[in-house]
Amino acid sequence: GDSVTQMEGPVTLSEEAFLTINCTYTATGYPSLFWYVQYPGEGLQLLLKATKADDKGSNKGFEATYRKETTSFHLEKGSVQVSDSAVYFCALLNQAGTALIFGKGTTLSVSS
Amino acid sequence: NAGVTQTPKFQVLKTGQSMTLQCAQDMNHNSMYWYRQDPGMGLRLIYYSASEGTTDKGEVPNGYNVSRLNKREFSLRLESAAPSQTSVYFCASRSGTGGIGELFFGEGSRLTVL
Repeated sequence: GDSVTQMEGPVTLSEEAFLTINCTYTATGYPSLFWYVQYPGEGLQLLLKATKADDKGSNKGFEATYRKETTSFHLEKGSVQVSDSAVYFCALLNQAGTALIFGKGTTLSVSS
Repeated sequence: NAGVTQTPKFQVLKTGQSMTLQCAQDMNHNSMYWYRQDPGMGLRLIYYSASEGTTDKGEVPNGYNVSRLNKREFSLRLESAAPSQTSVYFCASRSGTGGIGELFFGEGSRLTVL
């Protein structure tokens, strides 16, 4: 069945460092892909998405490119801030288009 | 501008007790979902409702029941709570059209079963 694999955390960085969080997926066809972010004590909110191969989603300085050759959707940011500290989830829309399947999440901690 | 509202936010139960988590959305979305979040497990889908009047099992439905009361409301019931159901529960909704609609989440309900 459909699944998402994310790199294990926690990821600990200094402010202004470069961030990469790896995400790969297993699915039939070419599902829509998403990154969600969860700040402490809150629900998840959409960070960015891509709906077809080679699409690049971007928001708040974060980017991810849909790579069908490597079935990947890695999240990147050039210069992280303390306020980026959160849990990041990669997700895909299942084949039926009825539900999102999430990875296990990656905790990011940024220190000043 | 409420979005998705869940109640209660916190609940402590004893093993064997029952309870219902309530969820309501004011965005006129067709699809609604219940997920549970556990450390190291990410979010796992319990049940979903693609449209009013329909419900379907997700990845971990055992021990739960749901009701799509109307287009706005989607409740999750634990008939006989077990310690394994200690978790944070999230309700979410999506417009459900075109297959790429954004999922909107509530703030979560933290349930502890003793």
